[in-house]
Amino acid sequence: QSVLTQPPSASGTPGQRVTISCSGSSSSVGSNVVNWYQQLPGAAPKLLIYNDNQRPSGVPDRFSGSKSGTSASLAIGGLQSEDEADYYCAAWDDSLDGLWVFGGGTKLTVL
Amino acid sequence: QVHLQESGPRLVKPSETLSLTCTVSGGSITSSYWIWIRQPPGKGLEWIGYIHYSGSTHYNTSLKSRATVLVDTSKNQISLRLRAVTAADTAMYYCARMIVPGAVRRAWFDPWGQGALVTVSS
Repeated sequence: QSVLTQPPSASGTPGQRVTISCSGSSSSVGSNVVNWYQQLPGAAPKLLIYNDNQRPSGVPDRFSGSKSGTSASLAIGGLQSEDEADYYCAAWDDSLDGLWVFGGGTKLTVL
Repeated sequence: QVHLQESGPRLVKPSETLSLTCTVSGGSITSSYWIWIRQPPGKGLEWIGYIHYSGSTHYNTSLKSRATVLVDTSKNQISLRLRAVTAADTAMYYCARMIVPGAVRRAWFDPWGQGALVTVSS
């Protein structure tokens, strides 16, 4: 069972805006930055959003991140077929000795 | 541009030790922290452990001290040893660079290697 909670699936049609949520706790999302990773079919994960809402060079501005309290969100605007992938949120958790925690992943389908 | 490549045996027998190496090219291993993450087939991501080039490490306690991560600065490589494996350790194993802006709690992982699928079976 993942420590960060994401919906297992999401979908949208081309051009639509889709939002994926990531719920944590006061010791994880509530205290630390959230990062998002995109995993295309058959590929390794790739950094999509870091430090809650920063985009690495090369990531389209259609992708945006936000956070409020113990929840974070990834928004994808102007949905494209190539956005079909698994999306994972991740954060540091201050529990115990400190550990990295991930969401269970959200499979995005472009209809 | 930093590139990571995992290598090592893809088939390991139960109770034996899984050994993987991650070779870093395009940059120095002394520039950052490095992390191992795994993904069982069809499942999500789980961190294993990370290492600073100085040798300091931090592990996922759920692995019950079976994991060891080492760094070889002369070869620009990090390695993973996972002892006493079972079928539950069958997974894609990724190495990634941890970019640490001041504190590990603020880090992110970029880039990732392509991964090595390791199967535990007799």
